[in-house]
Amino acid sequence: AQRVTQPEKLLSVFKGAPVELKCNYSYSGSPELFWYVQYSRQRLQLLLRHISRESIKGFTADLNKGETSFHLKKPFAQEEDSAMYYCPGGGNNRKLIWGLGTSLAVNP
Amino acid sequence: EPEVTQTPSHQVTQMGQEVILRCVPISNHLYFYWYRQILGQKVEFLVSFYNNEISEKSEIFDDQFSVERPDGSNFTLKIRSTKLEDSAMYFCASSAQGDQPQHFGDGTRLSIL
Repeated sequence: AQRVTQPEKLLSVFKGAPVELKCNYSYSGSPELFWYVQYSRQRLQLLLRHISRESIKGFTADLNKGETSFHLKKPFAQEEDSAMYYCPGGGNNRKLIWGLGTSLAVNP
Repeated sequence: EPEVTQTPSHQVTQMGQEVILRCVPISNHLYFYWYRQILGQKVEFLVSFYNNEISEKSEIFDDQFSVERPDGSNFTLKIRSTKLEDSAMYFCASSAQGDQPQHFGDGTRLSIL
């Protein structure tokens, strides 16, 4: 069965510290993976997609097929990064399969 | 930047009543989706819609649920006879093409009493 796992419900770091939000997937075929972010009282917004291989707001994510992971990283966390982060996966049928999400708190 | 809009932001309905959740996708998008998130649980796919018909639906999307694109702009989700367990946040999304990222609305919080 297709599944996305975000093992950390809450991640708390200090401003300026590196941050890594974990995401593992279980998919048949070639999934497309995304990171979406939801800031307080705002809508889900696309942050990254794995095929773009771009960096947005200092965040990067690399698809590791061997480890079936798509962890989100940022070398120096900022307070404004505090938000809920989701890494849904999509296949050819386009529906997104979601994990529980990780709440990132960046403390001053 | 164009956005997906959803109305109402909060809907309170008595159990057994019908409810219609409304969405206006981004204007040049062709693929439309509904998801829901019960409090404390994962976001779950409900249905995808393309070319005026359902492309795929989940097990959740039973006979009590229906979707419609009544005109060129609105995309609605109807629940015919609501149950307590339908209480959730309902998200509408749209994408330009099937392989393009999905853009989400703010969601409608549905509370069934």
